[in-house]
Amino acid sequence: AQSVTQLGSHVSVSEGALVLLRCNYSSSVPPYLFWYVQYPNQGLQLLLKYTTGATLVKGINGFEAEFKKSETSFHLTKPSAHMSDAAEYFCAVTRNTGGFKTIFGAGTRLFVKA
Amino acid sequence: KAGVTQTPRYLIKTRGQQVTLSCSPISGHRSVSWYQQTPGQGLQFLFEYFSETQRNKGNFPGRFSGRQFSNSRSEMNVSTLELGDSALYLCASSLDPGISNTEAFFGQGTRLTVV
Repeated sequence: AQSVTQLGSHVSVSEGALVLLRCNYSSSVPPYLFWYVQYPNQGLQLLLKYTTGATLVKGINGFEAEFKKSETSFHLTKPSAHMSDAAEYFCAVTRNTGGFKTIFGAGTRLFVKA
Repeated sequence: KAGVTQTPRYLIKTRGQQVTLSCSPISGHRSVSWYQQTPGQGLQFLFEYFSETQRNKGNFPGRFSGRQFSNSRSEMNVSTLELGDSALYLCASSLDPGISNTEAFFGQGTRLTVV
């Protein structure tokens, strides 16, 4: 079975500081990995995804993530936090097993202090 | 092009009633998935439909059901509502589950409150 673990349900950073949101996955085969962001009362929006190829993936709004197979991690980073980054972030793993199923982590709420 | 549309946005129902939620996927998308989001349980997968067939199902009781029409629009139904069914129900569409780099596009959700 595959699962996703996000370390830290809440992360607080100062504006301009580095953002690091942690995600570890378990999967018996190479997964497809995603990060989504959710703003209040909204659906989820894709930030970035890893399928194959380059392990450093760049997404929207200055976010990037690195797939590290040896560590089974897919941490999300952004060099400089902005107030508008305050939201909830979900790491997800997807496998196509004759059907589309995405398993989400519990989510990490990011707070950005002025 | 238009995104994923979920209707209604907000809904209040009484315990014991049933409810039907609707999801119109992005044009051309044939896969529709449903999720339940609650503060305590987070995002939980309900089921996925592709070409009018249920392909995957999560661990929810039989009170939760769904269907997909020939135009890919999907509905989910919850019968005999319980207080614990209060949640944000999210629908996601994707192009084709057979494509390896498929991603899900989410609607804004339906906020269901059971009283």
